[in-house]
Amino acid sequence: KAGVTQTPRYLIKTRGQQVTLSCSPISGHRSVSWYQQTPGQGLQFLFEYFSETQRNKGNFPGRFSGRQFSNSRSEMNVSTLELGDSALYLCASSLVLAGGNTQYFGPGTRLTVL
Amino acid sequence: AQSVTQPDIHITVSEGASLELRCNYSYGATPYLFWYVQSPGQGLQLLLKYFSGDTLVQGIKGFEAEFKRSQSSFNLRKPSVHWSDAAEYFCAVGAPNTGNQFYFGTGTSLTVIP
Repeated sequence: KAGVTQTPRYLIKTRGQQVTLSCSPISGHRSVSWYQQTPGQGLQFLFEYFSETQRNKGNFPGRFSGRQFSNSRSEMNVSTLELGDSALYLCASSLVLAGGNTQYFGPGTRLTVL
Repeated sequence: AQSVTQPDIHITVSEGASLELRCNYSYGATPYLFWYVQSPGQGLQLLLKYFSGDTLVQGIKGFEAEFKRSQSSFNLRKPSVHWSDAAEYFCAVGAPNTGNQFYFGTGTSLTVIP
């Protein structure tokens, strides 16, 4: 099976712009989670989607949003970009929504905000 | 809330030497525990996981980890390190009532000296 894919791999934006990142989970996986990775804060959970519904949400401002489509693909949107949003954004997919499922991570999207 | 501590920010070992990476967690019950590895520019790869049962778990690439409830620890070990093991290692905790939301430690960077 193909792994988790994320597009684009690299993005450069300027402050105030918005950005959309895409994640395609492993075939058959219905849960998609998003994480932000920065040198200062490490890996932080953004949100999780299952069956097109947001099921869990981390402690991030409303500028961060997401959605999931019927084919389980997910997008993450960040509006009004700030310098601090520069990070590696990782997507992970799991088979089902249940505690402790193994999550399989994609290679990430490197976002740079200038 | 769950939390994970990886006390060692950076470890240097010689090739062929043994390795132990420490992980301590905070959670009221037995959590689900994971170790992931991240190579530069890559996503996270699962090394091993603990859900229940035998407290010594075997993973890929010759790694193993031992769950010690009394010490709230889940340390990762490898008897003989290879140069290709140089990477960032992350311990993660999940819980039955939080879907697939993981809490990650800050990571331990491993350098292998030839």
